[in-house]
Amino acid sequence: KQEVTQIPAALSVPEGENLVLNCSFTDSAIYNLQWFRQDPGKGLTSLLLIQSSQREQTSGRLNASLDKSSGRSTLYIAASQPGDSATYLCAVTPYNTDKLIFGTGTRLQVFP
Amino acid sequence: DAGVIQSPRHEVTEMGQEVTLRCKPISGHDYLFWYRQTMMRGLELLIYFNNNVPIDDSGMPEDRFSAKMPNASFSTLKIQPSEPRDSAVYFCASTLGLRTDTQYFGPGTRLTVL
Repeated sequence: KQEVTQIPAALSVPEGENLVLNCSFTDSAIYNLQWFRQDPGKGLTSLLLIQSSQREQTSGRLNASLDKSSGRSTLYIAASQPGDSATYLCAVTPYNTDKLIFGTGTRLQVFP
Repeated sequence: DAGVIQSPRHEVTEMGQEVTLRCKPISGHDYLFWYRQTMMRGLELLIYFNNNVPIDDSGMPEDRFSAKMPNASFSTLKIQPSEPRDSAVYFCASTLGLRTDTQYFGPGTRLTVL
């Protein structure tokens, strides 16, 4: 059974820091891995989607990498801003299930 | 496009009452998903549809839960009778491609069962 773990569960950093959020999954047989952002009381917003054949994806200050063989992904946020404060969730789509399996998230707070 | 639309945004009801949650997916998306989010269990997939047909309902907790998609632009999730343990945020999401495209989430319905 696929399990997705995110470390740390919570993170508080000053504005301007570069930071890394970690995601690990137990079964490397996946179609893709996605990173989402969730603001309090809101739905999820997709940030980046990495197909299994890809190693990384970039969008603005965000860069996500995927190492399928080791079951790991990282989300790198450059020059963090207070507006980046949210919960970040990663999710994988395993073979033969076609269902997103979510991690428990990392709650990020960026203070001025 | 307005994105995925859910109604109501908040629902407070008493135990035993019927609850109906509604979702309008993004136009042209072939897949629709219903999720439940709680502090204890995180995000769980309840059921998903492809072209209005239910494909996998293995996440539906029990017979009190039912979901329908009568057409490509509307879906409902019904709980009858509701129980306090059903209190959660229920999300609807849609996508074009199951394995290649991201899912677009609605704002959610916060359900409280007293």
